[in-house]
Amino acid sequence: EVQLVQSGAEVKKAGESLKISCKVSGYTFSDYWIGWVRQMPGKGLEWMGIIYPGDSDTRYSPSFQGQVTISVDKSLNTAYLQWSSLKASDTAIYYCARHSHRTQYTTFDPWGQGTLVTVSS
Amino acid sequence: EIVLTQSPSTVSLSPGERATLSCRASQSVPMSFFAWYQQKPGQAPRLVIFGASNRATGIPDRFSGSGSGTDFTLTINRLEPEDFAVYYCQQYNNSPFTFGGGTKVEIK
Repeated sequence: EVQLVQSGAEVKKAGESLKISCKVSGYTFSDYWIGWVRQMPGKGLEWMGIIYPGDSDTRYSPSFQGQVTISVDKSLNTAYLQWSSLKASDTAIYYCARHSHRTQYTTFDPWGQGTLVTVSS
Repeated sequence: EIVLTQSPSTVSLSPGERATLSCRASQSVPMSFFAWYQQKPGQAPRLVIFGASNRATGIPDRFSGSGSGTDFTLTINRLEPEDFAVYYCQQYNNSPFTFGGGTKVEIK
């Protein structure tokens, strides 16, 4: 069974750094793109970017380019989303999700359970 | 960037009724690269439809998708209590693979 298990909730202050994780199991990590999606409180889904663990090829939404970094550690079967300096507006739930087939041009399926990030000013 | 506009933002219906949700794209999207997701409160989204009209694994046949070009529709026949949720459309043809703003299907 394919599973994506995300790290736990975080409470941080503005200006601090953060790295959240998404550990996968049940398939060959290197073979499928993984993405990150933001959901701000009470709002919709926003596509942030994706990474191919095989070669770390990464694509960002222009809205998030330069604001976050997506990375992987193949030895740990884990994808990461990180910030160097958090803002209060980064408060949101962040989901990781795997692409359903071995190409980026597919749906997100399955999804992780989400990580709530709360940033106080 | 392709902008997806969903309508209505909220629809109030009773169990057993039909829900018709729309998603309009700012430019044409090939049918093969269009999806719908369902999200219930406190849960991660779940894939419902891929390729505009194909049901994902475990999705009942009361869910159907249609459309092409810039206009796509998700229809839910005979609403069941578990169908009341927020539904998002997504295009995955042009990066960034944008989502629509969502339609909430609420109980009337």
